[in-house]
This record gives sequence, structure tokens and C-alpha cells, in this order.
Amino acid sequence: GENVEQHPSTLSVQEGDSAVIKCTYSDSASNYFPWYKQELGKGPQLIIDIRSNVGEKKDQRIAVTLNKTAKHFSLHITETQPEDSAVYFCAASSNNNDMRFGAGTRLTVKP
Amino acid sequence: KAGVTQTPRYLIKTRGQQVTLSCSPISGHRSVSWYQQTPGQGLQFLFEYFSETQRNKGNFPGRFSGRQFSNSRSEMNVSTLELGDSALYLCASSFSQETQYFGPGTRLLVL
Repeated sequence: GENVEQHPSTLSVQEGDSAVIKCTYSDSASNYFPWYKQELGKGPQLIIDIRSNVGEKKDQRIAVTLNKTAKHFSLHITETQPEDSAVYFCAASSNNNDMRFGAGTRLTVKP
Repeated sequence: KAGVTQTPRYLIKTRGQQVTLSCSPISGHRSVSWYQQTPGQGLQFLFEYFSETQRNKGNFPGRFSGRQFSNSRSEMNVSTLELGDSALYLCASSFSQETQYFGPGTRLLVL
């Protein structure tokens, strides 16, 4: 089955800097890669996703890149703000298969 | 549209008891997935229901079961509770098999 690895487990940046979180997956059939943000006491919220027919997707300060050959995808947050502090999860799934999540990255943005 | 709702939000049980958790998906969503989230194991997939049928199942013992009703609402049941079942149980609904939207979760504490 699918195995998703996520790095780093913790990340601390200064406000205004960029943050990058990386994930790798094992199943070459995976074709959908969402990213979730989880704040304390809440469920994960979808922030951006990418499908395997696209190499990059941007939404304001957030971007995701996908390298299907290397089986890795990354989340990029630019101009970080304190409210970006949360735990971020990557995930991968393929048609008819359950979604597998990375272990999460705790991002802290210091003002 | 209202988001995914889960009840109850918090629950305390003792070992050996059983528990039933409820999830109401976003209107129009027919797929409901359940996850267990713990600090040590991260987000682990329990099962997915679509049109009242279990479509996928994770690697959890038979004490964990679920069902889905004709209105897409879903319940999960854990029998003979163990201390290790203490976790945040998350429900996610989706229209297709891809994008999942999470509820706030039910925090279960087993004493």
C-alpha cells in the first residue's frame, strides 16, 4: 500500500520568511495530493491540492509542486505570518484507494 | 453549506465499555471516511463508506466498526474499549473520491 513520508517534523521560521515542507510517496499509482492545515482543537482543513497531471499550483501565498518521476511533492508558504502556525499534513491517494497521510509538520512562525 | 459535524465533541469512557460516534457529512456528499488521530501514530485510516456500503477498510481490529445510513450520515462504534483507543476520531466527507473535508473530531478518553 501507499506510504507517505513527511519532513521536517518541526519547522520554525521568522515572520516574513518562507517555509517549505516536503513529502515523498511510494505508490506510483497515486494521483491526488492534498495538503491540510490543522490548528489546535480543530479538524484538518484543506488548504491546497494538486493532481498528477499538473506540476505546480499556486493560491496566493501557498504553492505546491509535484515531481511524479521522483515521487515527491512540496508545500511552499511565502511571507509567513503568525497565523500560519499550525500542523500541516500532506496526503496521497489513487482512484479507489484510501488516503494516506504524512506524519505532520508543526510549523511555528515567530513574530 | 454547513460543514461536517461530529457528535459528541468529547467523551470519557472506561475500559471495556463501548462507544458510538456520529458524523453528518456536507449536504450532497455520499462518501464518509473515518480516521483515528493520536500523537504517536498520526492520522490513520479506519474505513470509508459510500452509499451505505463499506468501500475501504484500514488495518484496525474488528472492535472498530461503522455504518452509513440512507441520508449519508455515518456512525462508528468501538466495542470493548482499551486505553490505547484514546484518540481524536475524525470524520471526513467527500463528493468524489478525492477531496475530503474534515469535521472537528470527537475526542475520546478511555480511563
